[in-house]
Amino acid sequence: QKEVEQNSGPLSVPEGAIASLNCTYSDRGSQSFFWYRQYSGKSPELIMSIYSNGDKEDGRFTAQLNKASQYVSLLIRDSQPSDSATYLCAVNAGNQFYFGTGTSLTVIP
Amino acid sequence: GAVVSQHPSRVICKSGTSVKIECRSLDFQATTMFWYRQFPKKSLMLMATSNEGSKATYEQGVEKDKFLINHASLTLSTLTVTSAHPEDSSFYICSAEERGTWEQYFGPGTRLTVT
Repeated sequence: QKEVEQNSGPLSVPEGAIASLNCTYSDRGSQSFFWYRQYSGKSPELIMSIYSNGDKEDGRFTAQLNKASQYVSLLIRDSQPSDSATYLCAVNAGNQFYFGTGTSLTVIP
Repeated sequence: GAVVSQHPSRVICKSGTSVKIECRSLDFQATTMFWYRQFPKKSLMLMATSNEGSKATYEQGVEKDKFLINHASLTLSTLTVTSAHPEDSSFYICSAEERGTWEQYFGPGTRLTVT
């Protein structure tokens, strides 16, 4: 079982819709959770970090964490074509950093 | 804040030569730096983790004598690809973990082509 699992997609949503990206992790001791965005040919960019259960909002992005279910998600409201990218979920567990393989998102104009 | 630079951004070298890639955290001190490799349309692959002043920890399957890592200070780590071969051609990305947090910030990457 992989440490961090993501649906590889591709996920397609129309412009203006909500994009929902999901991630599960295996280590219950995980303490910090991150979402990165990676455009094709570029390096990943940190867009959200979340450390406690519940929701954390930053602009059009909302990260949701449920430690009991070992689940973290990213919602993108009012999706724009510029949001089209691969989104990587990352989890820090005891000084080990694990990345998911990423979900490819396409926002259709 | 939290800017990581990498140099060079792109390099072409001949088979058998060595290439050094620098990774710097510009506005913060990095407890730990990481080196990744990414092939086209593939996920990030962690190569090694380095802490300032100590030896790097390499992931299984990564040759430490081929990929030399030096973490000389809290703001600088270098990766040297020795005796490069065409199969080493890839996108090499470093990241730095800001001291006191668990957040990793990535450099812009170095595209290596070995001819």
